[in-house]
Amino acid sequence: AQTVTQSQPEMSVQEAETVTLSCTYDTSESDYYLFWYKQPPSRQMILVIRQEAYKQQNATENRFSVNFQKAAKSFSLKISDSQLGDAAMYFCAYRSAVQTRDGNKLVFGAGTILRVKS
Amino acid sequence: NAGVTQTPKFQVLKTGQSMTLQCAQDMNHEYMSWYRQDPGMGLRLIHYSVGAGITDQGEVPNGYNVSRSTTEDFPLRLLSAAPSQTSVYFCASSGAGTSGGHYEQYFGPGTRLTVT
Repeated sequence: AQTVTQSQPEMSVQEAETVTLSCTYDTSESDYYLFWYKQPPSRQMILVIRQEAYKQQNATENRFSVNFQKAAKSFSLKISDSQLGDAAMYFCAYRSAVQTRDGNKLVFGAGTILRVKS
Repeated sequence: NAGVTQTPKFQVLKTGQSMTLQCAQDMNHEYMSWYRQDPGMGLRLIHYSVGAGITDQGEVPNGYNVSRSTTEDFPLRLLSAAPSQTSVYFCASSGAGTSGGHYEQYFGPGTRLTVT
């Protein structure tokens, strides 16, 4: 079974600075997807960024980018120019790309609370 | 489109009571699932469905029942509520069941359930 580990329960960053959230995962599969989700106090789950394992290029979405190290099974999220609105719980998640009945299942890490200081 | 809707938003139950959490989506998605969110544990899959009439157990299915009689609806039933079921529950849907590829999962707003 796949597992996802987020070793940082909480992180803080000064507004306008850069912060990196860590995520490692364990899988025996070679084809999969990795995600970062943001959960603000409203509880809504918001997809921040997605990475396909077969792509070597790291995904980027505006101020959000990832460092995907497939051999090390590491998938960190970098937030540049942090804003007060970035304060939230961030979840790393894994999804198999294998075509099975549960192929859409997401496996989540425990989450990292990000606090942004003004 | 309303996306994924969940009712109620909040619920308090006494131990032993039963209830149904409602989930509906209007995007004609094949795949629907229920997760529970607990502090320090992220979201864990309870049950899922790849289409009407088909359901399967996830990681933590005990104490919960589901059915999928239509594409739109996927209710989650708590048969006899226990304090260990105090959690936030999320319903999610996406466009593919077994066809692979990537289809984004859309989450509902969540239901906060407290069992006393």
